Amino acid sequence: DTEVTQTPKHLVMGMTNKKSLKCEQHMGHRAMYWYKQKAKKPPELMFVYSYEKLSINESVPSRFSPECPNSSLLNLHLHALQPEDSALYLCASSQDRYLEVRDGYTFGSGTRLTVV
Amino acid sequence: GDSVTQMEGPVTLSEEACLTINCTYTATGYPSLFWYVQYPGEGLQLLLKATKADDKGSNKGFEATYRKETTSFHLEKGSVQVSDSAVYFCALSDADTGRRALTFGSGTRLQVQP
Repeated sequence: DTEVTQTPKHLVMGMTNKKSLKCEQHMGHRAMYWYKQKAKKPPELMFVYSYEKLSINESVPSRFSPECPNSSLLNLHLHALQPEDSALYLCASSQDRYLEVRDGYTFGSGTRLTVV
Repeated sequence: GDSVTQMEGPVTLSEEACLTINCTYTATGYPSLFWYVQYPGEGLQLLLKATKADDKGSNKGFEATYRKETTSFHLEKGSVQVSDSAVYFCALSDADTGRRALTFGSGTRLQVQP
């Protein structure tokens, strides 16, 4: 299995809703990432998990709450989002060899989130 | 800090034309360099990579050479196809920063016309 699977593919939520995005990989990768991508922009790093521990939080608002229940799963819990949070949310994973991401990431196909 | 600069797009070419997308970088150490491709409505796919100076990455007819002297990693293809239409991102990973994450360029949109 060489894929990162993200669910759901599309999500529409109201500003008072609570929802979760899910990401799963079975490649034995020990680093997992959440990125946010707005239209016609590069991905922006949100969170990095390494060996199931949060290692980077890029000053993301608390309405986004990540969780890594085990080495294969990564969740992003959403609560009280704003319309400007509408974007493509990408999950990625990589081998955690020392500090350098030498082999690059494997990305999922993303969840397209619309906040109404 | 580290940064990646790509040429502005969109780049519009006719089928079978030659492609070059410029990428230059700034890094404190000796980074690994990557090209990712994003097709419409999809996530990013690793296209090719190079981990040290003078390495050439290649895949699906695309090539890029890690040039330390010019801090560049330009993407090239001899003959593009309509199916190559996508957004291309140059990226780097630098162990010296202790940062376990890729730094992306702004992306270059390629449009290939039949």
